[in-house]
Amino acid sequence: DTGVSQDPRHKITKRGQNVTFRCDPISEHNRLYWYRQTLGQGPEFLTYFQNEAQLEKSRLLSDRFSAERPKGSFSTLEIQRTEQGDSAMYLCASSLPGSEKLFFGSGTQLSVL
Amino acid sequence: DAKTTQPNSMESNEEEPVHLPCNHSTISGTDYIHWYRQLPSQGPEYVIHGLTSNVNNRMASLAIAEDRKSSTLILHRATLRDAAVYYCILIMYSGGGADGLTFGKGTHLIIQP
Repeated sequence: DTGVSQDPRHKITKRGQNVTFRCDPISEHNRLYWYRQTLGQGPEFLTYFQNEAQLEKSRLLSDRFSAERPKGSFSTLEIQRTEQGDSAMYLCASSLPGSEKLFFGSGTQLSVL
Repeated sequence: DAKTTQPNSMESNEEEPVHLPCNHSTISGTDYIHWYRQLPSQGPEYVIHGLTSNVNNRMASLAIAEDRKSSTLILHRATLRDAAVYYCILIMYSGGGADGLTFGKGTHLIIQP
């Protein structure tokens, strides 16, 4: 399977703990995107990278959130001091250079107790 | 990205055609109309896109109004596997790739056997 891969698929944590998610984009896709989706809503844009550079961050990305893509390949999204309101599906997507077509992974479902 | 308006939900019978409408009255001349769908427990997947002319692919057809203020996604023969949330999104092409998609709530398509 050469699609976008996200790990883990599910994460349960206690409030106040830190969590980290990983996304492996499709090979040769230079853009990588993070989205968050809560029940009944469409995905909300968080941030995106072009290669290793983080080009845009949504105001939804509070200072407890940090995303990295150090070598322009896989990316990590870390949430520090998790809150119950962080419970959501975190989706990763990637795209080819110059393409407006995004390919999404299956997401990481985070539950904060 | 310009705003789109879609019905919250629609219901159809299996093996019948489905017409999913989208209004985008503030569309600009450089906005492309994209459709994505999201199956249960999965990330969104690209369906089709167009600018002015009607488009067909193996998944669906896209009919675009002459004034481009509305469009319709057509599933010619719906199956139970087409039950999903369908998102209509406008993207301004810059040539550099997508800065990120803005999703609304989409249309929840229910297929009755």
